[in-house]
Amino acid sequence: QVQLVESGGGVVQPGGSLRLSCAASGFTFSSYGMHWVRQAPGKGLEWVAFIRYDGSNKYYADSVKGRFTISRDNSKNTLYLQMNSLRAEDTAVYYCAEGTYYMDVWGKGTTVTVSS
Amino acid sequence: EIVLTQSPGTLSLSPGERATLSCRASQSVSSSYLAWYQQKPGQAPRLLIYGASSRATGIPDRFSGSGSGTDFTLTISRLEPEDFAVYYCQQYGSSPPRLTFGGGTKVEIK
Repeated sequence: QVQLVESGGGVVQPGGSLRLSCAASGFTFSSYGMHWVRQAPGKGLEWVAFIRYDGSNKYYADSVKGRFTISRDNSKNTLYLQMNSLRAEDTAVYYCAEGTYYMDVWGKGTTVTVSS
Repeated sequence: EIVLTQSPGTLSLSPGERATLSCRASQSVSSSYLAWYQQKPGQAPRLLIYGASSRATGIPDRFSGSGSGTDFTLTISRLEPEDFAVYYCQQYGSSPPRLTFGGGTKVEIK
């Protein structure tokens, strides 16, 4: 069945880096745009970044622009989020999700905690 | 940037009652680009409605979406115990491409 599995979360100090991965299965990954969405503890959903099906275009929320980089490897059916210069306010559950105008399939999320 | 405002923040209802959730946009949104999600505690969001009124695969017909322009509504005709959750609306904007979520409406058991 269609499945997205995130990994790579953990505890990191402010100013540090982390790379999240999202492994896709059960659908033709290379045909779909992909998003990262995050949710801070007790808060609502915040869109983070989007990449087109072929990686040709990438878009970011203002809150992460210049610090985060979204990428994908269609040969490995995997989506990535490289997060640099992490701040306390980046603490959240990070979800990957399939779609363009809306998100049809979601992973279960991976938790990122930025703390000293 | 388009801002989505959901109301009420919390809706206290009993099973079997009708729930009406509102999502208001700060400027006109294409109906094609308006979606609704359900999220239960500790779970990922689940797509309910896309294109303002189309149900996603496997979504029961007690869920319906409507609206256009700046005002959109999610209606749950008769609340089942599993429907008590938080609901988010979301829009896609194209210049530049970005997604925006509303702040959410919590539907709780009265």
